[in-house]
Amino acid sequence: DIQMTQSPSTLSASVGDRVTITCRASQSISSWLAWYQQKPGKAPKLLIYKASSLESGVPSRFSGSGSGTEFTLTISSLQPDDFATYYCQQYNSPWTFGQGTKVEIK
Amino acid sequence: EVQLVQSGAEVKKPGESLKISCKGSGYSFTSYWIGWVRQMPGKGLEWMGIIYPGDSDTRYSPSFQGQVTISADKSISTAYLQWSSLKASDTAMYYCVRQPAMVLPGYFDYWGQGTLVTVSS
Repeated sequence: DIQMTQSPSTLSASVGDRVTITCRASQSISSWLAWYQQKPGKAPKLLIYKASSLESGVPSRFSGSGSGTEFTLTISSLQPDDFATYYCQQYNSPWTFGQGTKVEIK
Repeated sequence: EVQLVQSGAEVKKPGESLKISCKGSGYSFTSYWIGWVRQMPGKGLEWMGIIYPGDSDTRYSPSFQGQVTISADKSISTAYLQWSSLKASDTAMYYCVRQPAMVLPGYFDYWGQGTLVTVSS
C-alpha cells in the first residue's frame, strides 16, 4: 500500500499569512494527487486534483505543486473561511489519504 | 446541479444488520463510479470500496473486503453500503463520493453529506 504522510499535523496561522502544507508519498505517484478541505461537521470538498489543477469554483489563493513523492498545498493569503482540516489523497494505486493537517487560528 | 444525498443517521446494536443509501441526481448516474469513504470519530478518511452503477462492477479495499457489501440500483439512481453484522468499531461517519473519471482510480469531485452510524449496546 502507498502511505501518505502530511506535515505538519497542526498549523497555527493568522489571517493574511502564506500557508504551506506538505504531503509525501511512500513511492512515486506521478501527479495523481488531490487535496480536500474539511470543516467541522461537513463533508470534505475537493480543492486540487492532478497535483496542481484547481477545481472549478475554488479560490485562486489555493494552489498545488509537486510530482513523484513530494507535494505541497499553498494558501497564498489565509482567509477566515480557510481554517479547516486539509487532506491529501493519492489515486495512483488505488486510494489512500494523508492523516490530515488542521489549520488553526493563531 | 450534481447532488449525492445520503440516508439519515442510524443507531444500531452490535450484531444487527444495516443498509445505508446514497441517491445521485443532476448527472447520468450509470456513467460515474460511486465510492464509500469512512471517517471514524476524530480520525482521517479511509476508502472502503467503489461501484460502477452501469454494470455493477465493484472493487473493495482489502481492509473492508468481506466486512461490507456495496451495491447499486440504477433504476432509482441509488448506491448502497450494507453490513450483515455490525460491530461497535463500525461507529463512524460514512460518505459516498463520485469519481468523475471512467478509469480507476481517480479523485472524488462530489461528496454526500454523510451518514452517521452509531453501534452501541
